[in-house]
Amino acid sequence: QIQLVQSGAEVKKPGASVRVSCKASGYAFTRYGISWVRQAPGQGLEWMGWISGYNGNTDYAQKFEGRVTMTTDTSTSTAYMDLRSLRSDDTAVYYCARDSHAAFDSWGQGTLVTVSS
Amino acid sequence: EIVLTQSPVTLSLSPGQRATLSCRASQSVSNYVAWYQQKPGQAPRLLIYDTSNRATGIPARFSGSGSGTDFTLTISSLEPEDFAVYFCQQRSSWPQHTFGQGTKLEIK
Repeated sequence: QIQLVQSGAEVKKPGASVRVSCKASGYAFTRYGISWVRQAPGQGLEWMGWISGYNGNTDYAQKFEGRVTMTTDTSTSTAYMDLRSLRSDDTAVYYCARDSHAAFDSWGQGTLVTVSS
Repeated sequence: EIVLTQSPVTLSLSPGQRATLSCRASQSVSNYVAWYQQKPGQAPRLLIYDTSNRATGIPARFSGSGSGTDFTLTISSLEPEDFAVYFCQQRSSWPQHTFGQGTKLEIK
């Protein structure tokens, strides 16, 4: 079955960077893209960006341009999301999701990133 | 940026009742709307894509309709497990996506 398994919770200080990984299994990684979505405590879903599993092309939400980098390692079917210059309002659960083009049909379990001094 | 506005913010109903959730887009998104269900502490789950197509394993009591700027998710007869938060999403400028702010469906 399709699975997206994310890395564990992180605690970071303001100004630091964080990397979240998302290991895919159960499907051909290069045939789908991965989108990253975050959810601040008690809030809604916010789309951050997308990366092609085929060629690594990316498209980021304007809000995160310059601060986020998404990459993939096709040899391990793993996607990565790096977020820099962390602020307290970056505290959120970060999800990866398989992007079937029509919708996000499988999701990772989420990674809590806490930014606190 | 296309903004999705969901209503109501909270919907209080009883099991067995019919639920109607609304999602309005700030401009036409054709039929490129999906719906997700999220329970506390869980990742969202895809229910409906492209306005009216149920995702794999989704019960027939969930249905979607609409076009252009106005979309609806209907749950024909609520089961206890249906009480959750529901989000709509649009992909008219794929791979860019936006989500609505959510509707909380709570037990009356």
